[in-house]
Amino acid sequence: GESVGLHLPTLSVQEGDNSIINCAYSNSASDYFIWYKQESGKGPQFIIDIRSNMDKRQGQRVTVLLNKTVKHLSLQIAATQPGDSAVYFCAETLTGTASKLTFGTGTRLQVTL
Amino acid sequence: KAGVTQTPRYLIKTRGQQVTLSCSPISGHRSVSWYQQTPGQGLQFLFEYFSETQRNKGNFPGRFSGRQFSNSRSEMNVSTLELGDSALYLCASSLFSGVGEQYFGPGTRLTVT
Repeated sequence: GESVGLHLPTLSVQEGDNSIINCAYSNSASDYFIWYKQESGKGPQFIIDIRSNMDKRQGQRVTVLLNKTVKHLSLQIAATQPGDSAVYFCAETLTGTASKLTFGTGTRLQVTL
Repeated sequence: KAGVTQTPRYLIKTRGQQVTLSCSPISGHRSVSWYQQTPGQGLQFLFEYFSETQRNKGNFPGRFSGRQFSNSRSEMNVSTLELGDSALYLCASSLFSGVGEQYFGPGTRLTVT
């Protein structure tokens, strides 16, 4: 498959445990944030998004937390499964320019059995 | 509904040559964005096209250009290739410009020798 990044931070989690992936974003004016998952050989896949007027949003097994004071996002994955193994990116943008995403460096999640 | 398709999937070119990559968005999507992904720089926005017009542009030299056709298909061109242009080039489509979820294709892996 495609190599996404050679020196990405890696989070190793046991199957069934919860995962927390963190991201620091750069632009204090950004008001729309998205988490993407990228598996080997594939393009990024949308997981969940959040707008700056919220500090928490939940999806199916995933929760995104936003702390605008310290420009920090986190993605929580409940009951992590082997299929969750991938590289996870946060992305930020301004409303109206949502097609122009600024991506974080990414975190590789490894799920061990 | 078919996803975003990119052709070719793999390409090897020589320094100094030029290359054209193609992206077909999801049917009905009118916005197409291009990103470059490298291990060193991560995912970086190149440009976005909507209704055949460039709407946003990233920080890349003029050697990188694109266009969009009336059927929303998009091409990007890189002239006078450099070794540093070796990357995974990703295309993403969305219904409209500036809003909504972006759907990524699998990318074109360009190797410049």
